[in-house]
Order: sequence, then structure tokens, then C-alpha cells
Amino acid sequence: QVQLVQSGGGLVKPGGSLRLSCAASGFTFTEHYMSWIRQVPGKGLEWVSYISGRSRYTNYADFAKGRFTISRDNAKNSVYLQINNLRPDDTAVYYCARDVSDYQYHGLDVWGQGTTVTVSS
Amino acid sequence: IVLTQSPDTLSVSPGERATLSCRTSQSVDSTFLAWYQQKPGQAPRLLIYGASSRATGIPDRFSGSGSGTDFTLTISRLEPEDFAVYYCLQYVSSPRTFGQGTKLEL
Repeated sequence: QVQLVQSGGGLVKPGGSLRLSCAASGFTFTEHYMSWIRQVPGKGLEWVSYISGRSRYTNYADFAKGRFTISRDNAKNSVYLQINNLRPDDTAVYYCARDVSDYQYHGLDVWGQGTTVTVSS
Repeated sequence: IVLTQSPDTLSVSPGERATLSCRTSQSVDSTFLAWYQQKPGQAPRLLIYGASSRATGIPDRFSGSGSGTDFTLTISRLEPEDFAVYYCLQYVSSPRTFGQGTKLEL
């Protein structure tokens, strides 16, 4: 079945770095954009970034420009989010999600289970 | 594009009808407007895409409508499992943006 399984996350000190991973299965990975979304505890959903199927296009929310880097490895059916110089306000649950393809505009239609990032000294 | 949902909280009872609104700061092609349901401790679940198309497995008591800058999610007869937070999302442009959410409470 179509699924996304996330790994990474955890407790990190301010200024540290982290790489989140998301492994996809059950669909043709290269056909889809992939997005990352985060949710601060008790708050709403906040889109972070997306990457196109062949990595040609990436896009970031303003807050993510400069410290966040999205990438993918199509041989491993995986997408990644590298976060550098972590700050306490990056503390959130991070989700990966399947995004649109050239022929399917269903939005963010499949979500990972989420992974918690806590930035604290 | 800023998405503004109303109300922030809606108090309803099982069996009643709920109407949730999502207004966009500029016109959005309805092809690229979606609605999500999120329960505590869970990932969001896609309910509606393309403003009015139900995602796979979504009961027909959920319906979406609207165009331009005004979109609506309607739940015709609330079931106990429908009490959750609902978000709209536009994905026509970058950055993708979510509404702030509407909490459906008992």
C-alpha cells in the first residue's frame, strides 16, 4: 500500500543540526513532488518545503530559507530535510507528504506518521 | 496567499450539520484547494481535493464547494468521530499555505 515512513528527529541542542528522512513505498516515487510540513505543539500546520520528482525544482517557506535543505534519493525512494543551526522555535512535529504529480493534483494526499524535533539545551 | 478559516471553533452536536469556511486573500483555482482533518496525536488526513472531490474512503457526509476566494467544507450529519480540527490548503502557488484551522467541538 502507499505509505511514507519517517525517521530521524529527537532532542538537539540549539545550534545543532539534524536530518529527517522519509521512505516512500507503494507508488512511483519519481512522479511526485514531495513536501515537508511542520506543526508546533498546539498550533496549526505550516508548510516548509517541496522538491520536484527529479530534484529540478525546490521551494521553501520564508522561515526555512538558508537553514533548511530538502533533497531526495530516488534510488532509495526517500526524501530528506536537513536543518542546520537549530533554534528552540524549530521545535515541532515534522511531517513528510506526497505532493502533486504532472497528472494528479490531489494536494498533499499521503502523509508520514510525523517525527518530533525538540530543540533545547 | 493567506487563507483565513472561520469560525476558529464551532460547537455542534452529533447529527447536526457543520459548515466551515475558508477565504483566500486572492483568487485560487479551485483545482488546487484541499481540506484536511486532524485528530490529536495523528497526522492530517486528506478529505477533499480540487475543492469538491472526496478523497478515497471519505464518507459522503463530507462535501466541499466554492470558487474564487470563498470555499466551504460541509459535514451533513456529524458523527462522534468527526470532532477534530479541520484545515484548508492552497497548493496553486508557492509557498503552499494552510488556514489556521477550525476546531469542531462537542
